Amino acid sequence: AQSVTQLDSHVSVSEGTPVLLRCNYSSSYSPSLFWYVQHPNKGLQLLLKYTSAATLVKGINGFEAEFKKSETSFHLTKPSAHMSDAAEYFCVVTQSSGGYQKVTFGIGTKLQVIP
Amino acid sequence: DTEVTQTPKHLVMGMTNKKSLKCEQHMGHRAMYWYKQKAKKPPELMFVYSYEKLSINESVPSRFSPECPNSSLLNLHLHALQPEDSALYLCASSQDGGRPLPNEKLFFGSGTQLSVL
Repeated sequence: AQSVTQLDSHVSVSEGTPVLLRCNYSSSYSPSLFWYVQHPNKGLQLLLKYTSAATLVKGINGFEAEFKKSETSFHLTKPSAHMSDAAEYFCVVTQSSGGYQKVTFGIGTKLQVIP
Repeated sequence: DTEVTQTPKHLVMGMTNKKSLKCEQHMGHRAMYWYKQKAKKPPELMFVYSYEKLSINESVPSRFSPECPNSSLLNLHLHALQPEDSALYLCASSQDGGRPLPNEKLFFGSGTQLSVL
């Protein structure tokens, strides 16, 4: 069984300040972890994925996430928020199963960026 | 080509109409998915096809009928929908097919925004 908990449903930051979106997971197996971003009325775009090659993962648009096994966390960060970062962010855990991916989404965190 | 293309982008239909949503990918992916997403909620899985065969049906009402004519194409046929079926319908694909791959990501289309009147 696997699950994902996004600790904040809404985060508000000022433009130019750091962003922290929190995610905790549980998984019976070595997890495959992802962050996706969704702008209004759009599909989901992959930000980054954890591949087990490195605990600090760099993604697109300056986002990073650090995998901490001891804390079962995969928090998303960015040093300086931009107005275009305002969107919904989903933490996702997947497990390969019989020819497809079993995907579990967190509830999502809405990021608001204040000018 | 690393895209999943969904058409139409927007659809308005009455409760007696029959319509179809289309999804296409040319990445050689052998697993394809339909998700339904209501506003301010995460996507909910509806169907999974693996190697053009239906692998998962998450107890979806029969007014939604999926079809996978070939490895690149996935359709969702709609008939006699209800207003509560109004949502964003997302298609996704992944490389899986027979041999599950670790850390395999899903590629999502931009969705069809469906309104049922």
